[in-house]
Amino acid sequence: AQTVTQSQPEMSVQEAETVTLSCTYDTSESDYYLFWYKQPPSRQMILVIRQEAYKQQNATENRFSVNFQKAAKSFSLKISDSQLGDAAMYFCAYRSASRLTGGGNKLTFGTGTQLKVEL
Amino acid sequence: NAGVMQNPRHLVRRRGQEARLRCSPMKGHSHVYWYRQLPEEGLKFMVYLQKENIIDESGMPKERFSAEFPKEGPSILRIQQVVRGDSAAYFCASSQIQGSHTEAFFGQGTRLTVV
Repeated sequence: AQTVTQSQPEMSVQEAETVTLSCTYDTSESDYYLFWYKQPPSRQMILVIRQEAYKQQNATENRFSVNFQKAAKSFSLKISDSQLGDAAMYFCAYRSASRLTGGGNKLTFGTGTQLKVEL
Repeated sequence: NAGVMQNPRHLVRRRGQEARLRCSPMKGHSHVYWYRQLPEEGLKFMVYLQKENIIDESGMPKERFSAEFPKEGPSILRIQQVVRGDSAAYFCASSQIQGSHTEAFFGQGTRLTVV
C-alpha cells in the first residue's frame, strides 16, 4: 500500500516571500501521479499542481512549482511571492497510474500542512 | 457547467439516527469517490463507484456504512446508527473515465456532526 507523509504540520511565510512544503511518499510502483491540493477555510479541495512520475521535468503553475525527486520519493511544493490568499491547508496526494489496481482515480493523501501567511 | 454538488453542506444527527449524504457528479462523469476527513487529518478514501457498481470499497467501515450510485440520480453515502466518531467532513469527487489523464474534481463536502 502507498503512504504519503507530510512532516510539517504548520508553516509560516511572510507575504511576498518563498516557502517550501515537504512531502515524501512510499510506493513500489514505477508509474504514478503526485498532486498538491489546497484546502482553504471553505473546505473546498482545489488542485494546485500535478506531476507525472514518468516526467523528469518539474511541474510549474505560475507561482507554484514542485521539486520531484523520484529516487528519493520526495515531492515538495514551492510557493513564490506568497500572497495572503495562499493561506490554507495543503495536502500532498498520490495516485497510481496502473490500470491493474482498478482503483480509478483513488487518491492517497498526507495529513496536511497548515500554511500561514503573515504581513 | 456545474461542479460536483454535495448536499447537505451541514448535517446534524443524534446518536443512533441515520445520515444520508448526497453527491451529484459533474455532468458527464460516471465515476464517484467518497472520502472522509476527520478533524485535523487528511482525507481518507472510502469507496469508489461507477454507475450501479461498487468498484472498490476497501476504505469503508465494515458495519453501518453503505454507498450506492444508481443509474439515475445522485450517489448516496448512508451511515446507519451514527456514533460520535462518525463526526467528520465527507467529500465526494467525480471523474469522467478511469484513465491516466483524467482528473477527479471535488465537491465542497458535507460536515456531519453527531450529537
